[in-house]
Amino acid sequence: DAKTTQPPSMDCAEGRAANLPCNHSTISGNEYVYWYRQIHSQGPQYIIHGLKNNETNEMASLIITEDRKSSTLILPHATLRDTAVYYCIVRVANQAGTALIFGKGTTLSVSS
Amino acid sequence: ETGVTQTPRHLVMGMTNKKSLKCEQHLGHNAMYWYKQSAKKPLELMFVYSLEERVENNSVPSRFSPECPNSSHLFLHLHTLQPEDSALYLCASSQDGLGRFGELFFGEGSRLTVL
Repeated sequence: DAKTTQPPSMDCAEGRAANLPCNHSTISGNEYVYWYRQIHSQGPQYIIHGLKNNETNEMASLIITEDRKSSTLILPHATLRDTAVYYCIVRVANQAGTALIFGKGTTLSVSS
Repeated sequence: ETGVTQTPRHLVMGMTNKKSLKCEQHLGHNAMYWYKQSAKKPLELMFVYSLEERVENNSVPSRFSPECPNSSHLFLHLHTLQPEDSALYLCASSQDGLGRFGELFFGEGSRLTVL
């Protein structure tokens, strides 16, 4: 699976948009971009995924560049409960029994 | 309610004890996973089971022994552990296969302390 690079930490004011970047310059054509987050001492939680088109759900938006070498997770109105470690992972879909490999992620701190 | 239940949530054991961690998924998934998360370290993949067969063993010491009796249950048997094995052990499940992207659903984890 392709390697990803994320900033170790970011700060965001409550109510503002949080934009979390991820570089995946070696991504291959059949690899998806996944985002998970982990609130302290809990299991990671799926946020969103995409292949090449921008995606949006009730939690966040995912913007993938045209060359697919980077992406940005957007939390449109961050709250204190969004404080967590955010993981960007690339992985081939439909590959039975192949697990997600987590890196160090970005620690997002949302403050009032 | 995540659909993946882990017990016990907390476990303290001595180095000579034998204990087991249990994971149960109520989502009808066909793959299950054990991850380990030590303090201030990324999640480490330990074992992967797909259709009840182990498909990956990520160089885990033999003092950790997984068991997957059916597609809904996963165990991690522990014996003669070391203090450095103290960590949060996370179980996850997914539905893999054609047309699926294999979203992982995690349990809340079992916090293990080895004295």
